[in-house]
Amino acid sequence: AQTVTQSQPEMSVQEAETVTLSCTYDTSENNYYLFWYKQPPSRQMILVIRQEAYKQQNATENRFSVNFQKAAKSFSLKISDSQLGDTAMYFCAFMKHVIGGSQGNLIFGKGTKLSVKP
Amino acid sequence: EPEVTQTPSHQVTQMGQEVILRCVPISNHLYFYWYRQILGQKVEFLVSFYNNEISEKSEIFDDQFSVERPDGSNFTLKIRSTKLEDSAMYFCASKTGPSSPLHFGNGTRLTVT
Repeated sequence: AQTVTQSQPEMSVQEAETVTLSCTYDTSENNYYLFWYKQPPSRQMILVIRQEAYKQQNATENRFSVNFQKAAKSFSLKISDSQLGDTAMYFCAFMKHVIGGSQGNLIFGKGTKLSVKP
Repeated sequence: EPEVTQTPSHQVTQMGQEVILRCVPISNHLYFYWYRQILGQKVEFLVSFYNNEISEKSEIFDDQFSVERPDGSNFTLKIRSTKLEDSAMYFCASKTGPSSPLHFGNGTRLTVT
């Protein structure tokens, strides 16, 4: 069974600074996907970034980037130039690669609550 | 941009009552999911649905729960006899293909009193 661990329950960062959120996972799968989702106070789940395990290049989306270390089973999220609107709960999630069917459900970590301070 | 829509946004019900949570997935999506998030806890998988049948379900999804896609656009989660511990945020999600990212709705907050 896959597990996802986020060891930082809460973090804070000053506006415009950079912050890194940690995530580790455990799996015996070789092909899989990793995600970061953001959940602001409105409780909506918003996809931030996605990484395919077979890609060595780290994914980036504007101010968001990941450091994917497959051998270490580590998948951290870096937020550059933090903005007040980045304040949210951040969930790391794992999905194994499947062909057909719909077993590709997400396994979530417990989340990291990020506060961006002015 | 198309969205997954969920109704109602908040549902209050008495213990023992039946509730139906409604979702309209994105129109070209083929895979549908329900997740649950008890306040302050992590998001938990309940059930996945593909090709008009349940493809996977978690231990949480017991006989009190059922899902249906009655008309090709709606996707519903029914809880037959609600318990206090069913109080949670329920998220519907959908995706186009097995390896696609999940798109979530805004959730329905269920409060059982």
